Amino acid sequence: NAGVTQTPKFQVLKTGQSMTLQCAQDMNHNSMYWYRQDPGMGLRLIYYSASEGTTDKGEVPNGYNVSRLNKREFSLRLESAAPSQTSVYFCASSKRGIETEAFFGQGTRLTVV
Amino acid sequence: GIQVEQSPPDLILQEGANSTLRCNFSDSVNNLQWFHQNPWGQLINLFYIPSGTKQNGRLSATTVATERYSLLYISSSQTTDSGVYFCAAYTSGSRLTFGEGTQLTVNP
Repeated sequence: NAGVTQTPKFQVLKTGQSMTLQCAQDMNHNSMYWYRQDPGMGLRLIYYSASEGTTDKGEVPNGYNVSRLNKREFSLRLESAAPSQTSVYFCASSKRGIETEAFFGQGTRLTVV
Repeated sequence: GIQVEQSPPDLILQEGANSTLRCNFSDSVNNLQWFHQNPWGQLINLFYIPSGTKQNGRLSATTVATERYSLLYISSSQTTDSGVYFCAAYTSGSRLTFGEGTQLTVNP
C-alpha cells in the first residue's frame, strides 16, 4: 500500500517549457488535490477534484491545468512554465471530500530557470 | 475565505522540554488536521481532530471548534520532533486551508 505517489520527485525546466506532474493513489479515495508550497510558507490549493470526472479551481489556479484521468490518477500540467512556478508541488487525496482525512504524497521539487 | 493563523512562528527548545502550538481560525470549520513536515519535506499526518482531544504517544491535540482554535502539545521533546508543524482547516467549498506553520527546533 503505497498511499499517494508523485512523479517525478525533482525537475528543472526552462522558461516556456511544458510538463505534466503525475499523481496516483491506491487508497480508493474519491477526492484528490494539488497544492504548491513556496519557501517559508504553508500550502496553497491549486486545483482539486471532489470526485472522478469533476475538477475545480483552488486559490492559485493561473498557469495550471489538471486532468482527473480516473479514480486513481490526477495530473497537473504546466503549459508554459514561468520562474514564478518554481515551488514544491504536493498531491493529496481523501476518501470523500474535505471532511475526511487528507494524505499527501512526497512532493515534486520544480525549478524553472 | 477562512484565515488560519499559527503561533508562535518559531520555537526553539532543549531536548526534554514541553511545548504548545496554537492554531486559530477565523470562521467555523468542518474539520481540522495537524501535520509535521520533517526536514526532508515530507508531510506526516499527526491528528485529524474536528473537536475534543486526541493523544498519540508524546503528542496530543485539542480542538475547540466553538471558540475557533486548536492546540498541539508536544511533551518531552526530542531532536526528531524538529521541523515545521502545520494546521489545516476544512471549510465549505472543499478547501483545505493551511496556516503558515510553526518552525520547531529541538536542540540536544
